[in-house]
Amino acid sequence: GAVVSQHPSRVICKSGTSVKIECRSLDFQATTMFWYRQFPKQSLMLMATSNEGSKATYEQGVEKDKFLINHASLTLSTLTVTSAHPEDSSFYICSARTGTGWFIPGNYGYTFGSGTRLTVV
Amino acid sequence: GEDVEQSLFLSVREGDSSVINCTYTDSSSTYLYWYKQEPGAGLQLLTYIFSNMDMKQDQRLTVLLNKKDKHLSLRIADTQTGDSAIYFCAVPSGNTPLVFGKGTRLSVIA
Repeated sequence: GAVVSQHPSRVICKSGTSVKIECRSLDFQATTMFWYRQFPKQSLMLMATSNEGSKATYEQGVEKDKFLINHASLTLSTLTVTSAHPEDSSFYICSARTGTGWFIPGNYGYTFGSGTRLTVV
Repeated sequence: GEDVEQSLFLSVREGDSSVINCTYTDSSSTYLYWYKQEPGAGLQLLTYIFSNMDMKQDQRLTVLLNKKDKHLSLRIADTQTGDSAIYFCAVPSGNTPLVFGKGTRLSVIA
């Protein structure tokens, strides 16, 4: 089945530094990847959608200069949190899909990474 | 845009059935999904239902879909302590990413 590997699973960084989170599709080509942020006891908030080889599309209210997304290949997307602050501490989850059209579960419709817990101190 | 609503908490005794409800607004969704999230983990696809079905059963899981009322439910039979988690209803809106409900936190009391 489709597997999405997300690393690191946990990261603690100092305020002002940058952190890179990787999301890899291991056995399929992910034409589109989504980055979500989840606050404690809350739902997933879509941050951005990235298509391979294109600039990411950010949701309203998400700072594109702060959350840099790169999707340079069909198997790798990265999210870099630049100049991190304590309020950026959160759980970040990526999701990958392949193809276009309706999301068919058996055809790698949506596959989620295991998430990254970012703590900024 | 799509709006997905779920109740936030459910508490059941071990061995009882759990029913988690979800309502949505976009009637064009082809598939509707249930995801499970255990503490500190990502999302695991639990089950899904195609929009032309009313019911789908998969071992202890039963999904009911009422398209007229735009209501989706997940029933877990013989609920176990290992079922304690947050369950998300998710609905694609056209060709956009999944829209998630806020999640229902299921607590199973031994």
